[in-house]
Parts: sequence; C-alpha cells; structure tokens
Amino acid sequence: AQRVTQPEKLLSVFKGAPVELKCNYSYSGSPELFWYVQYSRQRLQLLLRHISRESIKGFTADLNKGETSFHLKKPFAQEEDSAMYYCALMGAAGNKLTFGGGTRVLVKP
Amino acid sequence: NAGVTQTPKFRILKIGQSMTLQCTQDMNHNYMYWYRQDPGMGLKLIYYSVGAGITDKGEVPNGYNVSRSTTEDFPLRLELAAPSQTSVYFCASSYATGVVGDEQFFGPGTRLTVL
Repeated sequence: AQRVTQPEKLLSVFKGAPVELKCNYSYSGSPELFWYVQYSRQRLQLLLRHISRESIKGFTADLNKGETSFHLKKPFAQEEDSAMYYCALMGAAGNKLTFGGGTRVLVKP
Repeated sequence: NAGVTQTPKFRILKIGQSMTLQCTQDMNHNYMYWYRQDPGMGLKLIYYSVGAGITDKGEVPNGYNVSRSTTEDFPLRLELAAPSQTSVYFCASSYATGVVGDEQFFGPGTRLTVL
C-alpha cells in the first residue's frame, strides 16, 4: 500500500522568511512524487514534480529515498505563496495519485 | 480550452436520493479520475478510466458508479445517497504517455451535502 503523510496542517511564516513543507511517503517501489497547490478560489494545479528537477516560483523539492521524504522548500516566502499544498505519490500502475492531507501555508506581511 | 468542467457546483441531497455528477474535458486526455475530499483530509481516488469503455476502482469506490462512453465525459453516479458521501468531489484528467510523471488537470469541484 502507498501512503503520503504531511505532518503539518498549518504553517504560518512572515514574508521573506524561509518555508519548508514536510512530506513523507511509504511505497515499496520507485515512486514519482509531486507537489500540487490550490490557491484561494482556484483549481488544484501542479506545482512541481521530482522527475523534472526544476524550480517553480522559487520552490524546490528533493526526493530523499533513504528518508522517504519529498520536502518542499522556498528560501524567501511571498504573500502570494499563501495556499493549500498537497504532496502526492504516483505508483507504477495506472497513473493514480495518492495524496497527503495537505498543508495550509499562510504568509504574513 | 475550458479544460475540465464539472456540474453542478453545489448540491444538497436527501438520504436515499440519487444523482449524477458531470465531468467533461476538452483536452483529448485519455485518462480521467474522480476524487473525493473530506474536510481536513487529502483527496482519495474513487474511480478512474484509462480510455473510453474502460473504468476501474480506486481506493473508495463503494456507493458510486461510473461510465466512460466517450473520451470527453466521465460521469459519477451516486445511487443511494448517504451522509458519509458528504464531500467535495473533484474530476481530473491527464494524457498518459506511458512515461511516469504525467500531470493531472483538475476541475473546480462539486460540493455535495447529504442530509
């Protein structure tokens, strides 16, 4: 069985401060991992995927297979980063996603 | 492109009633999905489809049915609504290339309350 855990339900940071959203997973094979984001009154959308190894909107995430983690980081948070963030895992079959419970990020001015 | 559209946006049902949640995508995606999201929880997969005429169960299929007669449409049917089905329902689609990492595109959601 595959499982994704996001231990923080809410992260509150000040503008310009670093922010790190934790994501841990359990999966017996080699997973594909994603971060999806939902801004207020918008649809859930892809932020980044580990296979692309890219930085989007200043966010990066590193897959650590030893610690089974895929934490999302941004060195300087902006107010527009306030949103709900979901870590998701895709296993080997069917393009199916397993989501974590989500972390709400609030960036204060 | 409208992307993924869902109707209705909101619905209140009485226990035992039935309804169909509509989902349409105009991106010619082969894969489509239905998720539900309970308060404070992540999304859970109800059913998915890898192409017209092919559907399969996800993690929480009980109480739901789906069909996929066309590439564009993937309706979700609730036959006997129960309070436990109160949730927000999201439809999504993707173009599965066979290479892992395909992005899923989500609809705006349908908020369903069963009283």
